[in-house]
This record gives sequence, structure tokens and C-alpha cells, in this order.
Amino acid sequence: GAVVSQHPSWVICKSGTSVKIECRSLDFQATTMFWYRQFPKQSLMLMATSNEGSKATYEQGVEKDKFLINHASLTLSTLTVTSAHPEDSSFYICSARDSGGVYSNQPQHFGDGTRLSIL
Amino acid sequence: GNSVTQMEGPVTLSEEAFLTINCTYTATGYPSLFWYVQYPGEGLQLLLKATKADDKGSNKGFEATYRKETTSFHLEKGSVQVSDSAVYFCALITQGGSEKLVFGKGTKLTVNP
Repeated sequence: GAVVSQHPSWVICKSGTSVKIECRSLDFQATTMFWYRQFPKQSLMLMATSNEGSKATYEQGVEKDKFLINHASLTLSTLTVTSAHPEDSSFYICSARDSGGVYSNQPQHFGDGTRLSIL
Repeated sequence: GNSVTQMEGPVTLSEEAFLTINCTYTATGYPSLFWYVQYPGEGLQLLLKATKADDKGSNKGFEATYRKETTSFHLEKGSVQVSDSAVYFCALITQGGSEKLVFGKGTKLTVNP
């Protein structure tokens, strides 16, 4: 149980294009989802907290116009990297919180990540 | 603010060696503590947790004890295997506060046959 599916797992695209990453909670409803970026040497950075039906809350230093987050339903949040450039290349990980459900024994359930490479 | 400090790696061990990865924390209130594991190319998986002082979390031979007096949550395993090679993250979340997990910087473990 508590499966979080992230898609795609790997994407390569040209500089200047926009890339959308999906995060789905498959067997629970998630009012809150989180987006992380993982840098070389494994450091994790929380980018934003995604709340169903409202605007995402971005961490300091994260460009909200660059990294668009939409949490339109209780099982889906999307991260769109707009006008991507090589410096946006990274490993992006989402997580979802099951508030009060059967999987609420863990604070967050993580997807398997998306490797984004911008040429 | 809340923070987690864990020993810097990388850590390289031989199979069947004893493992310790140190983790200390700073937090307001009474946090819950976690160890997550990340295998190559994957997301994070919860390894174990402890929600109050003196609790011991354990899973797959790994253990960690919530020590309030030393604000520590060190990860240990008596005999590591090659399959334990991964990155390990210590993390906390405060009760009744933000839903955000606060992570340490991660420790990469490599176990050689």
C-alpha cells in the first residue's frame, strides 16, 4: 500500500522547452504533496508544498514562475519546469501525505523520482 | 529552527562489518525521528522511526534509539550486507507543527563483498 507514482522516471529535452512531471497517490488521497530537488552528493532540497485546491507554498529561493505546481485533485500534483535550462538538470522527487488515513503512520510517502536532463 | 546533522560520508565497509551512522538534531518541541534509505536511482523509503524519547525503531536489522538527553538518533546495524549499499537520511518532524520533514544531508554507504 501507500504507493506514490511519479512519471516520467527519466526525461531528456532541449534547452528552452517546458517539462511536466506528474505525482500520483495511487491508493490514498493526499491533500498535501511535496516536491524536492536532489543535488549531487545527495543533498535534498524542499522546493514547495503543494496543497489540493490552493496555491503551492514555495520555499525561499525557489522561483515560482519557473517551477509551476498544480494540485488539482486529491491524487495528482504536477510540477512543470518552464523554459528549462541545463542548470535545471537534476533529480526531482515528490512525496504525498495521507492525512488521517490508513497510511498516516508515515509523514510522507515518496515517489521514485524523475531524472531531468536538459541539453 | 529545526535541523538535523548527520555524519558525512561516504562510508565504505566490508560485508558483515558493524555500521554506525551518527545523527543529532535540534528541534523546538518534541519531534518524531526517522531514518530513510535511498537506493540508487530511486526515491526514499522509510527505514525506521521513533516518536518519543527512549523509543527504539528497528527494521531489517537496523536499529536507532531516540535519545532526548543527547538529542541523537544514531543508526546501527550489526552486520551489513552488500545490498545495504545506499544513501541514508536522518530526518525529523515536529508534533503539531509544520508537516515538513527536516532532513540531514545524507550519508552514502558502500558495502564491499
